[in-house]
This record gives sequence, C-alpha cells and structure tokens, in this order.
Amino acid sequence: EAGVAQSPRYKIIEKRQSVAFWCNPISGHATLYWYQQILGQGPKLLIQFQNNGVVDDSQLPKDRFSAERLKGVDSTLKIQPAKLEDSAVYLCASSPRGQSFSYEQYFGPGTRLTVT
Amino acid sequence: AQRVTQPEKLLSVFKGAPVELKCNYSYSGSPELFWYVQYSRQRLQLLLRHISRESIKGFTADLNKGETSFHLKKPFAQEEDSAMYYCALSGNSGGSNYKLTFGKGTLLTVNP
Repeated sequence: EAGVAQSPRYKIIEKRQSVAFWCNPISGHATLYWYQQILGQGPKLLIQFQNNGVVDDSQLPKDRFSAERLKGVDSTLKIQPAKLEDSAVYLCASSPRGQSFSYEQYFGPGTRLTVT
Repeated sequence: AQRVTQPEKLLSVFKGAPVELKCNYSYSGSPELFWYVQYSRQRLQLLLRHISRESIKGFTADLNKGETSFHLKKPFAQEEDSAMYYCALSGNSGGSNYKLTFGKGTLLTVNP
C-alpha cells in the first residue's frame, strides 16, 4: 500500500510570511496526526483528527497555526505568520483505527521548514 | 501528564556487543509503550510495542512498571542497527485521547 504522502518536502520562508503543508494519509485510515519535530527533540503532537473532526489540539499554537481535514481524507496545516522558532520538521502520520485504542502510526517523510 | 525520558542522546557500541537503550516514563494510568526507529534517510517507523511481546530484528523491550522503565535491548548489535531510536508512550489519563508522547531520542551508532 502507498504510504503517507507529504508536500512540500522542504520550504524556506522569511519570518512573518505564511506557509501551508499538505498531507495525504494511507487510504482508509481514520485518524490523522500532525507533529512538530524541532532539531534535537522528539516529535510533539500538534493536532489529531478522527475522520474530519478534531480530537486533540491542546498543543497547537492557535494564534498562528491552523489545520483542517475537510473531507476526512487529506489535511493541510498552515502557519501564519511564521516565527523563527517554527523552524522544524513537520510530520504527518495516520493510523487505521479510532482514538479509543493505540494503533501503530504510519509516518510521512516530513516537511522541513526553515524560517529566516 | 505523561512524560518520556531517554537519558542518552548518543550511544556508541561495537558490532557484536550488547546494546541497551534506556527509557523511563511518567504516567498516572496504565500506559502503552512503544519504540520507534528512524534509519538514515527513512521515515519514522514502529519497531515494537510492549503489548505484543515480540522480538523485532533481535530487539526486545520489557515494561517494568515498578521502575517505570521500558529499556530496549539487543544481545549482539549489528551495523545496520545504527539509527535514531525514540521511546513513546500512549495513555488516556485526563481525556488525552491516547496521544503519543515521544522522548527526545537516542542516536545509536554501531561501529565495525
């Protein structure tokens, strides 16, 4: 089966600009996650979707970050305006079941964002 | 709150030597523990989970609730084991919807 797809793979922007990332999960996976991974850290969950509904966005900086999964399939994550500290790899992951159990998460290749 | 600690940022061993990557956790409920691995230029992927009690690529990990640890072990390291290893915890205390919390990772290098 095809894996989780993400684009773009790399993005360089100046601070205060906006940027959007796209993720297409594995077909049939109900749950989709966005993680932020800063250099030297483990991935940190930003937002979790179950189909097209948000089940956890407690660590999403809502003043500048937004995410949507309109048809319960692919998703976009947006940052507006970007800050220097947003430089990180943004990972998308999906899993086949609902949020009541912990199933294996399948990760995409990530988008490396550099804010200058 | 759930927290995962991997005390070693870097670990270097020789081929054929035993290897142990340490992981300690903090969680008030009954956790589910995982090891994820990222090989060079590859995606982050699941290595093993404690409930399956499997040995994957020669690696094992035992959940020790008394010591709140989930160390990853392999008796004879191979060069292809060189990678970044992340310990992760999933729990549902306080309605966290079974979110995954990762440690900072340990970079394992196996020298020839």
